[in-house]
Amino acid sequence: TQLLEQSPQFLSIQEGENLTVYCNSSSVFSSLQWYRQEPGEGPVLLVTVVTGGEVKKLKRLTFQFGDARKDSSLHITAAQPGDTGLYLCAGAGGSNYKLTFGKGTLLTVNP
Amino acid sequence: GAGVSQSPRYKVAKRGQDVALRCDPISGHVSLFWYQQALGQGPEFLTYFQNEAQLDKSGLPSDRFFAERPEGSVSTLKIQRTQQEDSAVYLCASSLGGPRLDEQFFGPGTRLTVL
Repeated sequence: TQLLEQSPQFLSIQEGENLTVYCNSSSVFSSLQWYRQEPGEGPVLLVTVVTGGEVKKLKRLTFQFGDARKDSSLHITAAQPGDTGLYLCAGAGGSNYKLTFGKGTLLTVNP
Repeated sequence: GAGVSQSPRYKVAKRGQDVALRCDPISGHVSLFWYQQALGQGPEFLTYFQNEAQLDKSGLPSDRFFAERPEGSVSTLKIQRTQQEDSAVYLCASSLGGPRLDEQFFGPGTRLTVL
């Protein structure tokens, strides 16, 4: 069974601060996705990373896939209250369609 | 509508009752997925359809859980003889392509509470 561990589980910061959340596994994934989920809604895809060492930027968000394709990080610069939500990482293994999700990091950005 | 819709949004059932949860995927999407998300957890894969064919049901927790997609569009997840541990949000997602990592578009979920 492939497991993804996310840390921290909870994060509360002030507007304008930077933060990093982590997604780690002992298993290798063919690709990894990051989602954001707001209360009462389904997860929304932010990014997919495929290549070991890959870095993708989406405005103030920077995503990195580890060289060994076992871990990933999400860095947010100058966080805003609109960034508040549950950030989930999800890995795809050999079957490719089947996603294994982490438990998520619940981020609160206070104005 | 443009997105994935699910109904009902909330369902309260007494232990032992049967429930049926509906998912309307995005029109034209070949793949459909069901996930279970317990409180404080990430979604867990239940089952996968490609058109009307159920290609993977390895995540269904027991034989009380049954899913179908008879015409390759709308899908229903049925839970028989509900138990308290079935309480969770049930998410449906659809994607455009076949068995590869396309973007999955999620519905808002059905929150099931079993008393």
